[in-house]
Amino acid sequence: GENVEQHPSTLSVQEGDSAVIKCTYSDSASNYFPWYKQELGKGPQLIIDIRSNVGEKKDQRIAVTLNKTAKHFSLHITETQPEDSAVYFCAATPAGGTSYGKLTFGQGTILTVHP
Amino acid sequence: NAGVTQTPKFRVLKTGQSMTLLCAQDMNHEYMYWYRQDPGMGLRLIHYSVGEGTTAKGEVPDGYNVSRLKKQNFLLGLESAAPSQTSVYFCASADTRTRYFGPGTRLTVL
Repeated sequence: GENVEQHPSTLSVQEGDSAVIKCTYSDSASNYFPWYKQELGKGPQLIIDIRSNVGEKKDQRIAVTLNKTAKHFSLHITETQPEDSAVYFCAATPAGGTSYGKLTFGQGTILTVHP
Repeated sequence: NAGVTQTPKFRVLKTGQSMTLLCAQDMNHEYMYWYRQDPGMGLRLIHYSVGEGTTAKGEVPDGYNVSRLKKQNFLLGLESAAPSQTSVYFCASADTRTRYFGPGTRLTVL
């Protein structure tokens, strides 16, 4: 089955710096890659996603890039703010899946933004 | 519009006891899921449902049962709780675009 590896497990940055979280996946047929943000005591919330026919997608300070050849995708947060502090999860849909099908999650990255 | 709600928020069980976790959604979604979250392991799918009356196994189904008698509800049952089931449990529902998670249930099995 699909295997998703996420790095780093913890990331500490100063307010205003950029943060990058990387994930690799094993199934070359995977076609949907969402990113979730989980604040303390809450459930994960979708913040951005990308499909395999797109190389990059941006939404204000957040961007995701996808390299299908290398089977990895990354989350980029620019001009970080303290409220960006949270746990971030990447995920991938196995071959033949859809955005509402099964997802395999990475292990999570604890991002801390220091004021 | 409450989204996805979970009951209870916290629970402590003794080994061998049983319990049911309730998930409810008011968005008329067909797809619903139960995940468990353990430190350093992300979220792992326990069971899921693609519509009322249907259920299917995820990647870690052993020791759990589910039912989807009504479209808006998805129940997760533990028949005989074990310490290895100590975890945070999340329910989610999905439309064709987005998966919505509930706030979670923290379960401790002593």
